[in-house]
Amino acid sequence: DAGITQSPRHKVTETGTPVTLRCHQTENHRYMYWYRQDPGHGLRLIHYSYGVKDTDKGEVSDGYSVSRSKTEDFLLTLESATSSQTSVYFCAATGGLSYEQYFGPGTRLTVT
Amino acid sequence: GDSVTQMEGPVTLSEEAFLTINCTYTATGYPSLFWYVQYPGEGLQLLLKATKADDKGSNKGFEATYRKETTSFHLEKGSVQVSDSAVYFCALSEWDYKLSFGAGTTVTVRA
Repeated sequence: DAGITQSPRHKVTETGTPVTLRCHQTENHRYMYWYRQDPGHGLRLIHYSYGVKDTDKGEVSDGYSVSRSKTEDFLLTLESATSSQTSVYFCAATGGLSYEQYFGPGTRLTVT
Repeated sequence: GDSVTQMEGPVTLSEEAFLTINCTYTATGYPSLFWYVQYPGEGLQLLLKATKADDKGSNKGFEATYRKETTSFHLEKGSVQVSDSAVYFCALSEWDYKLSFGAGTTVTVRA
C-alpha cells in the first residue's frame, strides 16, 4: 500500500450531515487522488491534488470538496451528505515518474 | 476524452483454466496502460503495466501486451488458481497523471 492509510475505515452518517474522510501518506508523493467505487462504474475520480494547496476537480466532483495543507494529508469533505454518496472511497498517490498510483485500503461510507 | 472498456463479468473458471479479460481503450495521445487487481475487502494494487506500444507487462503469471494498432491491452493467465479470485481493472494514464478505469471484471476461480 506504499504507506497510505485512510480514516475512518467505515462510517454511517445521516443525510444532510457533513463528513470528512482523511488520507495520509508517508512517501512524500506529490500527487494525491480521491476516487469512489460503485458497482458497474469502476473507480471514478472525484478530486485530485498536484501539490500542497493545489487541487482540481475530477469527473464526479459535485457535492465534494478537498483540501491539502500538507504533503502527507488529503482531506475529502462531503458538505451535506446524500444517499447517492453511499459508496466506497479510495485515496491514491503517486510520485509521478511511472504514473503508477498506490491505493489506500478504502473507506466504506453509508448515508442513511 | 480518454476511456477504457473491458469485458463484463462475472467470469467463473475452474482451477488451471486459461483466463482472458479483454480491454480496449480510447486516448488522444500515447497512454501508459495498467492492470490493477482488487482482492476482497482490499484496495487496488498494481498487477502489471506497459508504457509504450508492443511492451509486454507481466507479473504473477499474468501477461498483457500493449497493442497500439488495435488499441487493446488484454490480460491473460495460462493456469489460474483459487487465489486469483478478485476484481481486475484495466486503466490508462496520459500526461496528466490521472487514471481512467474500466468498470472492472469480477473473476471467481473454483477448486
